[in-house]
Amino acid sequence: GAVVSQHPSWVICKSGTSVKIECRSLDFQATTMFWYRQFPKQSLMLMATSNEGSKATYEQGVEKDKFLINHASLTLSTLTVTSAHPEDSSFYICSARRQGAGNTIYFGEGSWLTVV
Amino acid sequence: AQKITQTQPGMFVQEKEAVTLDCTYDTSDQSYGLFWYKQPSSGEMIFLIYQGSYDEQNATEGRYSLNFQKARKSANLVISASQLGDSAMYFCAMRVGFGNEKLTFGTGTRLTIIP
Repeated sequence: GAVVSQHPSWVICKSGTSVKIECRSLDFQATTMFWYRQFPKQSLMLMATSNEGSKATYEQGVEKDKFLINHASLTLSTLTVTSAHPEDSSFYICSARRQGAGNTIYFGEGSWLTVV
Repeated sequence: AQKITQTQPGMFVQEKEAVTLDCTYDTSDQSYGLFWYKQPSSGEMIFLIYQGSYDEQNATEGRYSLNFQKARKSANLVISASQLGDSAMYFCAMRVGFGNEKLTFGTGTRLTIIP
């Protein structure tokens, strides 16, 4: 079964609004989670590292005020796309490593965002 | 900086045949890990196999095996007895450093299994 879960799987929002995507680790605690973005027919690009109890670390070129990340608990990280625009339409996916499960890094199911 | 290269944008393979997906990597770190993920059209990333840089034996997981050639910096995925359900995008990824969980991905290979 799923080890990391994301919600929602699909979301359509109007331009200018904000949308929140949740990433949950199931049955384990994750002090660190990662958010990736994938454009159609392209690879995954790391956006930011979500750190429990502290500020997220953003990759170069990623607007931290645009993509707000909150890791308020050991099992939940949220990504909020603020003032969304059509160019933010993409596939967003999170990952976490389950301690004690070897070196496997698990991904959520991903979230398809369409901004209209 | 680390880099993953997948040179095969697409592959067509007859059902039940074995297939090798190529992956080369570049890093100056001695400690690293290599992953293969399968991404069906639904988008989820399904973990297939992992190889650590210090692992002496090639990793195997069911029909999946990783042909790890450290000197050549290659980590090819071998799928034996391919099935129609194997049709998907396949990504090679690398993490660098001990305890690091950030992954750098290759551009992927779209595998299509022909009945």
